[in-house]
Amino acid sequence: SQQGEEDPQALSIQEGENATMNCSYKTSINNLQWYRQNSGRGLVHLILIRSNEREKHSGRLRVTLDTSKKSSSLLITASRAADTASYFCATADQTGANNLFFGTGTRLTVIP
Amino acid sequence: DAGVIQSPRHEVTEMGQEVTLRCKPISGHNSLFWYRQTMMRGLELLIYFNNNVPIDDSGMPEDRFSAKMPNASFSTLKIQPSEPRDSAVYFCATLFSGSLSDEQYFGPGTRLTVT
Repeated sequence: SQQGEEDPQALSIQEGENATMNCSYKTSINNLQWYRQNSGRGLVHLILIRSNEREKHSGRLRVTLDTSKKSSSLLITASRAADTASYFCATADQTGANNLFFGTGTRLTVIP
Repeated sequence: DAGVIQSPRHEVTEMGQEVTLRCKPISGHNSLFWYRQTMMRGLELLIYFNNNVPIDDSGMPEDRFSAKMPNASFSTLKIQPSEPRDSAVYFCATLFSGSLSDEQYFGPGTRLTVT
C-alpha cells in the first residue's frame, strides 16, 4: 500500500505549545500535502511541499520534507484551542496522476 | 463559489436497499475523487475521474459499488445492494488538474448508515 503512516496517532498539548506531527511514506513522490479535518467535516488543504523543497512556511505552520528518509513533519507553533482537529498527510506520486494517498492521521487536541 | 456540494448529508437505510450519493464539483474543476472514511481503514480512495472519464477505480471495493460522471458538474456513487459494512462517511473532492496547485477541495461528506 502506498498509504502513509503518521505519528503520533494522537497528541494532546496545552494552548501555546508547539505541536509536531510526522508522516512517513513508501514511494517516490511529486509532492506531499497536509490536510486538516475538523470532526464531522471534510478535509481542508493546509500546505503543499514539492519533492525538490525541504521546508515551507505558512503562518504558524512549518512543513519539512526529507525525501531520503521518505518523511515529512508538520509543526504548528503557538497552538490554539481552535487547532484541535485531525491532521493528514497525503502524497502525490510521480506518475502525474492526480490522486493522493492519505496517511492515517494524527488527532490533535489543544487544551485551553 | 459554494464549494463542493454533496447530498444527502446523512443517509440511513436498511440492508439491501440501493443508495445513491451525489456530488457537484466546483465549477471549472475537471478531476473528481470519491473517498470513503471509516475508523478502521481511514481515508480510502474509491475512484477518480478526469474530464468525466474514470481513470482509476481500483479502490472500489466490489461490484456493488458503481460511480458515474455524466457531465462536468455532476457525479454519483451508487451502492446496490447496500450492506452494514458500507456504513462510513463518503467524501467527494475535486481539483483543477491544469493548475499549479494539486490541492483537492473536499465536500462536507455524506454519512451513510446501513442497518
